[in-house]
Amino acid sequence: DGGITQSPKYLFRKEGQNVTLSCEQNLNHDAMYWYRQDPGQGLRLIYYSQIVNDFQKGDIAEGYSVSREKKESFPLTVTSAQKNPTAFYLCASTEEGWWSGNTIYFGEGSWLTVV
Amino acid sequence: GNSVTQMEGPVTLSEEAFLTINCTYTATGYPSLFWYVQYPGEGLQLLLKATKADDKGSNKGFEATYRKETTSFHLEKGSVQVSDSAVYFCALSDGGGADGLTFGKGTHLIIQP
Repeated sequence: DGGITQSPKYLFRKEGQNVTLSCEQNLNHDAMYWYRQDPGQGLRLIYYSQIVNDFQKGDIAEGYSVSREKKESFPLTVTSAQKNPTAFYLCASTEEGWWSGNTIYFGEGSWLTVV
Repeated sequence: GNSVTQMEGPVTLSEEAFLTINCTYTATGYPSLFWYVQYPGEGLQLLLKATKADDKGSNKGFEATYRKETTSFHLEKGSVQVSDSAVYFCALSDGGGADGLTFGKGTHLIIQP
């Protein structure tokens, strides 16, 4: 079955550490996204990538970095510069097209907690 | 810019009650509209969508009609079940690419037996 796989499901980070969240999709989608969700809040866009080797900052990119070396993979690194990283992180993808009805598909999410 | 406004939650209903979750939007052009559902500890799943005015999206007993004149896309269900307890997000897309994807803040629905 096609879908988006995020790992790990739960991750603990010590102060000053960088951690990387994995996102893999086998939907052959061009565009991939990372969102952050805080309790009781909506989704905020961190980074997005519309094609391989290209990515753009979203609304809250500070303290995060990404890479897009392969179409199916879009890992997110939460750096020590991110002062409040405890949140639920969602990876998503869409099949780019000329019309606006594209559905966005989400992974199961990763919980990151600072200890 | 685009925006999506949803009713504040949590919304608490008894089983078999009628559900309405209001959603209004502002956007340029002719966006597509979506409802997503998030169960506890999981990612978002597409519930239904509508791509043009007067379209009705439906799935699992839920319905929403794209009303351009009132810029609304209210979610309804005639008889809710405990298993419908989740967070519901209204969203719009105005042309593909991340800049055109806008989500509401979500409405937490609690169904009591």
